[in-house]
Order: sequence, then structure tokens, then C-alpha cells
Amino acid sequence: QVQLQQWGAGLLKPSETLSLTCAFYGESFGGYYWSWIRQPPGKGLEWIGEINHTGSTKYSPSLKSRLTISVDTSKKQFSLNLSSVTAADTAVYYCARYSPEGLDSWGQGTLVTVSS
Amino acid sequence: DIQMTQSPSSLSASVGDRVTISCRASQTIGGFLSWFQQQPGKAPNLLIFAASSLQSGVPSRFSGSGSGTNFTLTISSLQPEDFAVYHCQQTYTTPYTFGQGTKLEI
Repeated sequence: QVQLQQWGAGLLKPSETLSLTCAFYGESFGGYYWSWIRQPPGKGLEWIGEINHTGSTKYSPSLKSRLTISVDTSKKQFSLNLSSVTAADTAVYYCARYSPEGLDSWGQGTLVTVSS
Repeated sequence: DIQMTQSPSSLSASVGDRVTISCRASQTIGGFLSWFQQQPGKAPNLLIFAASSLQSGVPSRFSGSGSGTNFTLTISSLQPEDFAVYHCQQTYTTPYTFGQGTKLEI
């Protein structure tokens, strides 16, 4: 059975760095891309970026200058860091597995609020 | 970026109805399209991948069609648990953009 569990700080001040980690519970970590997606309150989904087990990344151009996604294959974990956050970064953040079938497994989501 | 446009933005229907949701890409994406269902307060759930392939465990009343720039999600006979928000996503090229969502309500 595949499961993703995520955690991280839920309340940030403007200019701080958002940090989230996602752990994969399942048999095979390699061979997939590990993704981050966010959803502002009441709005649609936004793809943030992804990483594979070798550390190869793809980032959204709109976030690239502030974004770092990293992976720790020994722990089957991957992480999101987004620097210099503003209120516009307030959203539910999801981690997900990107398989040949698409985004087939998702974390539970973490609400991150940016407020002074 | 490829823009994904869903229509309608919201849709009222009844149990047993047949409903169709459309998704249009701003440029051709071949068959690289997924559909998701999202219940309130929950993560999205993959329904359809590669435009028309049913994800394992998803009821057969869900189906997808289309290629190029125009795609459709059809629910053949609505069940109470189908009232949710539906999202399309292109995975042809990064950034893998989503449509704005379609809210299906009673």
C-alpha cells in the first residue's frame, strides 16, 4: 500500500521560508517523480515542481527563483523550501507521487498561512 | 505555460443524471491529460489518466475522451458521492498546469 505523509510549519510571517517534508511509505521510491502542488483557499490547483530519486528537478517558472526541492532517498523523503513568502503563498500544500499514470498518490495536505 | 480551461465552472445535477465536463488546452497536448475528483477538505483523487484510461479502483461510470486540445469527462449516472470538484491537468510539458475546477452540485 502506498502512503504519503507530510509535515511542516503552518504559520509563517512575510519574508520567512516555507519548509515542508513528505515521507513515502511503500516499496519503491526510485522510478517516480515526487511532486508538490498547492491550492490557495477557495481556488484551483497549482503545480509547484517535482524531483526524482537522483535529484533531478523541474520547477514552475513563476516560483523558480524562490524554490528548492530536495530528496533524501535513504529516508524516502522529499522536501519543499520556498523563500521570502508573502500572503500570496497562503495555500494548502500537497505532496504527491507522479507515476506513469499521473499524480496517483497524494499526501493529506498542509495549510500554510502567511500573516504578520 | 499551457492554459487549461474547464467548462462549466459549476454544474447542478441530480442523482442518476449523465453529466459532461469539458477541458480545453491552449495548445495541443496529445493525450497527456488527467482528471481528478476533490471532496471538500480532501486531497484530489486521480480518476482518469492519459485522457481515457480509468485509474484502478475508480468506478466504471467515469470515462474520459479527447485528444489534442479538447477533452471530456463523463459521469454516466451520478451517485451521491460524485458531488465534488473536478480538475483537469495537462502533463504534456512542465509546468503541469491545471484547469480552474468544475464544482458539481445538487
